[in-house]
Amino acid sequence: KAGVTQTPRYLIKTRGQQVTLSCSPISGHRSVSWYQQTPGQGLQFLFEYFSETQRNKGNFPGRFSGRQFSNSRSEMNVSTLELGDSALYLCASSISWPGNTEAFFGQGTRLTVV
Amino acid sequence: QQQVKQSPQSLIVQKGGISIINCAYENTAFDYFPWYQQFPGKGPALLIAIRPDVSEKKEGRFTISFNKSAKQFSLHIMDSQPGDSATYFCAASKGAAGNKLTFGGGTRVLVKP
Repeated sequence: KAGVTQTPRYLIKTRGQQVTLSCSPISGHRSVSWYQQTPGQGLQFLFEYFSETQRNKGNFPGRFSGRQFSNSRSEMNVSTLELGDSALYLCASSISWPGNTEAFFGQGTRLTVV
Repeated sequence: QQQVKQSPQSLIVQKGGISIINCAYENTAFDYFPWYQQFPGKGPALLIAIRPDVSEKKEGRFTISFNKSAKQFSLHIMDSQPGDSATYFCAASKGAAGNKLTFGGGTRVLVKP
C-alpha cells in the first residue's frame, strides 16, 4: 500500500513569488492535513481538508491556502513568499473526519525562499 | 501558546539503556496522544498512541505511560538501539476538532553504541 506522496520534494523560490505544493493521501484516506516544520517553531498545523471542505485552520496568514479535490488529493498554495516561509511542509492523511484517527505523514516538501 | 510541552530537548543514552521523554498538556479536551519518530530528511512516522481511558500501552520496546490527573504522558524506549537515534515528538488532539495535532517541541535522542 503506497504511503503519502508529496511533490515536489525540494523547491527554491524567490521572495514575492507564489508556490503550490501537492499531496496524494494513502488510498482510502479522505482527510488531508498540512503542517509547517521549522527549527524555531517546530511542527505547526496549517489546515485540514475532508470531502473537499476545509474543516480546520491553524493560525497562519491568508497567504497560506489550500484545497482538496474529489479524489482526496490536496494542494496548498503560498502567495507572496517571504523569507520566513522557508520550511519543511508536511502533509498527513487520515481515514476520516472528525474523530481522532491515525495520521500518516509524507516525506515533505522542503521550500527555500531566497 | 504552547499547549504541549516536551522535555528534555535532547538526551544521550547508551545502547541497551532506557530513553524517557515526557510531555505535559494543558487542554483537558485532548483525547488522543500519539508519538512520532522522525529521521533527518524524512516525515514523522507514527510510533504509538494512547487514549485517556488507558494508563499504559506497550508496543515492542516502546511504552506510553499516561497520567490523566497530572495531564502528563511519557514515552519509554527500552533497550535503546543506535537505530533509535532520531527526533521524537509527542502530540495531542481532540476528536471534535478532527485530526488536528498539537505537537510538543521534540526531543533529539542519540543512542551511543
